[in-house]
Amino acid sequence: NAGVTQTPKFQVLKTGQSMTLQCAQDMNHEYMSWYRQDPGMGLRLIHYSVGAGITDQGEVPNGYNVSRSTTEDFPLRLLSAAPSQTSVYFCASSPDPDRAGTGELFFGEGSRLTVL
Amino acid sequence: SQQGEEDPQALSIQEGENATMNCSYKTSINNLQWYRQNSGRGLVHLILIRSNEREKHSGRLRVTLDTSKKSSSLLITASRAADTASYFCAPYTGGFKTIFGAGTRLFVKA
Repeated sequence: NAGVTQTPKFQVLKTGQSMTLQCAQDMNHEYMSWYRQDPGMGLRLIHYSVGAGITDQGEVPNGYNVSRSTTEDFPLRLLSAAPSQTSVYFCASSPDPDRAGTGELFFGEGSRLTVL
Repeated sequence: SQQGEEDPQALSIQEGENATMNCSYKTSINNLQWYRQNSGRGLVHLILIRSNEREKHSGRLRVTLDTSKKSSSLLITASRAADTASYFCAPYTGGFKTIFGAGTRLFVKA
């Protein structure tokens, strides 16, 4: 039972470089989301998706792009990394709330990103 | 969507003691969820309490919900060193944005 899988677990980038954080889930969940967590703080929602082809912004979307071409995958792209994007990124998924989902989120183990 | 606010920010207790942490929120909810995060790991769902429930148990966890006060509490009985973690509440109002607060950091001393 893989659940939510994030890759890579660790990444170091230089300012201005681009990269993609991968997220895949095998639970057939319609809803997927990305959070970032900075030291000593809670999680802030970056982007989310309610199904293939549908994405929307969360609390802190600037500097990040997402797409959802399949139910399983929800990659997060940093087009031009900045030191302020140094953080731990978490992907989460959930069954569709509109189908009597409870909103329970299933999290990946995180991707730790450092931007120099 | 709305954010839950956990209190206290940090809690340090001895093994075997009970740990209580609180959550307040602002608007009506469908349910309220508690999550645990071990250091450096993803959040794990602990327990969900629906808006029409007042108390729920799961093992050593007891959650209460007071919708009139818009508050919830999580009680961990007979704490163990392995309970050391951050705990987050998530008031769920439907929709697609679950917003987390800063959490309560629990440290259980062996």
